[in-house]
Amino acid sequence: GNSVTQMEGPVTLSEEAFLTINCTYTATGYPSLFWYVQYPGEGLQLLLKATKADDKGSNKGFEATYRKETTSFHLEKGSVQVSDSAVYFCALRNQAGTALIFGKGTTLSVSS
Amino acid sequence: DSGVTQTPKHLITATGQRVTLRCSPRSGDLSVYWYQQSLDQGLQFLIQYYNGEERAKGNILERFSAQQFPDLHSELNLSSLELGDSALYFCASSVAPSGSAGELFFGEGSRLTVL
Repeated sequence: GNSVTQMEGPVTLSEEAFLTINCTYTATGYPSLFWYVQYPGEGLQLLLKATKADDKGSNKGFEATYRKETTSFHLEKGSVQVSDSAVYFCALRNQAGTALIFGKGTTLSVSS
Repeated sequence: DSGVTQTPKHLITATGQRVTLRCSPRSGDLSVYWYQQSLDQGLQFLIQYYNGEERAKGNILERFSAQQFPDLHSELNLSSLELGDSALYFCASSVAPSGSAGELFFGEGSRLTVL
């Protein structure tokens, strides 16, 4: 079946550090891949997405590239800010699918 | 603000009881999804409705049921509650019933505590 595996958190970084959160997936066909972010006390918001192999999604300084050969969609940011502290979820939705399938989430904590 | 409204925001009840969670989707969205978020299981898809009809089922227990009304709001009914049902329940909506690239818009969730 379809599944998403994310690196375990929490991830603790200093401001301006480089961020990588690993995400790999298992799916049939060619799924679309997403990163959602959940700030404290809020619902999930779409951060970025990629719909086919080699696509790069980007938003707010975050990037992720759809790598079909490694079934990965790692999230990166060159210089994190305190305001990036949140829980990040990797997700997929396959071609025939309806709902998003989420990973368990990775908590990021950035200190000044 | 995603445009998805969930009530109540917090709910405390006892084991064996029944509760109803309500969701109003974004204006124009026909599809509603319910998710359960717990510390050990993460975000689990429960069920989806599209324009009043059940579209997809995930890991929803038989004690749980949902429906979508003609005005497109949805309710999730949880009965015979157990301690393990304590979780954050999210509703999300989208325009289309399926399709791989569509974005889901999430509400802020209803936190259920079963004592």
